[in-house]
Amino acid sequence: EIVLTQSPATLSLSPGERATLSCRASQSIGNYLAWYQHRPGQPPRLVIYDASNRASVTPARFSGSGSGTDFTLTISSLEPEDFAIYYCQQRNSWPRTFGGGTKVEIK
Amino acid sequence: EVQLVESGGGLVQRGGSLRLSCTASVFTFSNFWMTWVRQAPGKGLEWVASLDQDGNEKHYLDSVEGRFTISRDNAKNSLYLQMTSLTVEDTAIYYCVRGGGSPNPWGLGTLVTVSS
Repeated sequence: EIVLTQSPATLSLSPGERATLSCRASQSIGNYLAWYQHRPGQPPRLVIYDASNRASVTPARFSGSGSGTDFTLTISSLEPEDFAIYYCQQRNSWPRTFGGGTKVEIK
Repeated sequence: EVQLVESGGGLVQRGGSLRLSCTASVFTFSNFWMTWVRQAPGKGLEWVASLDQDGNEKHYLDSVEGRFTISRDNAKNSLYLQMTSLTVEDTAIYYCVRGGGSPNPWGLGTLVTVSS
C-alpha cells in the first residue's frame, strides 16, 4: 500500500497570501496524484488531477507540480473560499490511498 | 449537472449489516468506474472500494475485504455497498463517487453509525 504523507498538518495564512502544500509518497507514483478540496458541510471536490492538471471549474490560482514521490499544491493568492482541508490521493495502484490532509485556516 | 444521491445509512448495532445505495443521473452511468469513499468522525478521507463499468473488476480496502461487497445495476443507474459484520470503526459518512482513478464528482454522502 502506498502511504501519502502531507505537510504541514495546518497552514495558517491570511487572504491574499500564497499557500504551499506538500504531499510525499512512500514510493514512486509517476504523476498519478490528485488534490481534493473539502469544505465543511460539502462533499470533497477534485481540484488537480495527474499532478498538474486543473479540474474543470478550478481557478487558475491553483497549480500542482511534482512527480515520482514529491508533490506540491500551490494557491497563489488565497481567496476566502479557499480555506478548507486539502487531501492528496494516488491512483498509481490499488488500494487507492489518501494523505492525512492539510487544513488551510485563516490566520 | 452530474448527480449522485446516496441512501441507506443509519444506526446499526455492532455485527449488523447495512446496504447503501447510490443513484446516479445526468451522465451515462454504465461508462464509468464507481467508488465508495468514507470519512470517519474527525478523520480524513478513506477509499473503501471501486468497481469497473461491467461490475467484474472490484477492489477493496483491506479492512473491509470479505465484509463489504460493491456492486452495481447499470439498468437502474445504481451503485451499492453491502456491508456486513460492521464494527464501530466503520462509523463514517460514506460517499459515492464517479470514477476509479481520481474520482469526481462526489455525492453528499450518507451517515453510517455503528453502536457498540
